[in-house]
Amino acid sequence: DGGITQSPKYLFRKEGQNVTLSCEQNLNHDAMYWYRQDPGQGLRLIYYSQIVNDFQKGDIAEGYSVSREKKESFPLTVTSAQKNPTAFYLCASSISTGVRPAEQYFGPGTRLTVT
Amino acid sequence: AQSVTQLDSHVSVSEGTPVLLRCNYSSSYSPSLFWYVQHPNKGLQLLLKYTSAATLVKGINGFEAEFKKSETSFHLTKPSAHMSDAAEYFCVVSGPRGSGNTGKLIFGQGTTLQVKP
Repeated sequence: DGGITQSPKYLFRKEGQNVTLSCEQNLNHDAMYWYRQDPGQGLRLIYYSQIVNDFQKGDIAEGYSVSREKKESFPLTVTSAQKNPTAFYLCASSISTGVRPAEQYFGPGTRLTVT
Repeated sequence: AQSVTQLDSHVSVSEGTPVLLRCNYSSSYSPSLFWYVQHPNKGLQLLLKYTSAATLVKGINGFEAEFKKSETSFHLTKPSAHMSDAAEYFCVVSGPRGSGNTGKLIFGQGTTLQVKP
């Protein structure tokens, strides 16, 4: 059963704590992405990785960190430096095409609440 | 640079009536365009995509969209709404590689579709 898994579905943390969100895919995709979604807003790109051991900042990378040690895994750490971490976080993956960007496949999301 | 504007933040229709969700895009290059659907507290699911082949694109669940270059539009339609269509819909644009885009997708703000019985 191929797809993208994110865990946990709901996560609660105290302010000042770092927290790591998991994202795993078994689609054999080269590229992976992390987005943040806030109510009434579209998705905003946090980080993306087009190949193992390489990743780039997206539009809102401050206060976040990632790693890409394995092709199938792209964990996101929300650090205490992120001012407003409460949000819905979505992970996605896609094939890496030579010309046109391919469609992205999304995981079910993790809802993070920081109090 | 690429951008996308969804013209309605909220659309309400009655079950069995047509659906029209409007999307305009701006792109310096020949764009790829997508529509995604998101049900509450779920991830996004691809409905359909346009990648410079046929301008009328058919997707899943009876949805289709027409690429109109002269109007820079990519509106999503469905002839007859079903209760299960109630969700958030996102229009998405991307440009070709080599333009500095590197595969990033630009999402619209979303349109909430309400379907009344």
